[in-house]
Amino acid sequence: SQQGEEDPQALSIQEGENATMNCSYKTSINNLQWYRQNSGRGLVHLILIRSNEREKHSGRLRVTLDTSKKSSSLLITASRAADTASYFCATDESGGYQKVTFGTGTKLQVIP
Amino acid sequence: SAVISQKPSRDICQRGTSLTIQCQVDSQVTMMFWYRQQPGQSLTLIATANQGSEATYESGFVIDKFPISRPNLTFSTLTVSNMSPEDSSIYLCSAGLADKGTQYFGPGTRLLVL
Repeated sequence: SQQGEEDPQALSIQEGENATMNCSYKTSINNLQWYRQNSGRGLVHLILIRSNEREKHSGRLRVTLDTSKKSSSLLITASRAADTASYFCATDESGGYQKVTFGTGTKLQVIP
Repeated sequence: SAVISQKPSRDICQRGTSLTIQCQVDSQVTMMFWYRQQPGQSLTLIATANQGSEATYESGFVIDKFPISRPNLTFSTLTVSNMSPEDSSIYLCSAGLADKGTQYFGPGTRLLVL
């Protein structure tokens, strides 16, 4: 079963705009990871943020984590058509056993 | 990081048959997992593949339907048994790096059951 919800379920923006996706979860976590999936292919790991971290950057990606609200956000700046994909958050609440539970996903479309 | 390969990448099978999917990691990893992704859905964990012992299954998944092997620290198999059209999904294996906590995924096996 899914740990949490992502919103929006779908997002359509123009190339160059920023895209923000949100993830909410239900239980305490060790870390939260964001993944990208293109057209039903394998998952590409984007970024991991630990429960004691509040913000993390990687290139055009910025991830925030608010453990008090049990939520995270993924910001993609200056979006490109190649960013079109589904984005999933995944939480590890397994106490070090690395078992992750996926959110429902956000389908992002970047229009050239 | 870990590089994960899966075989086959896709298959079309007849109902009632079984398919074994292989997952190979390019380095020794502590944890390996199998996920199912039904069409248009998110990923659902099937089981944790334990090295040298029986897999640990999630609620709703049973060993008779999804037998799993993990003979060593770099390899695992998932068998989808007595298939029905409802088993049509993408099956993905993943591996966890203990020192980093990151989960890496294989490219997936796309299964269609007729």
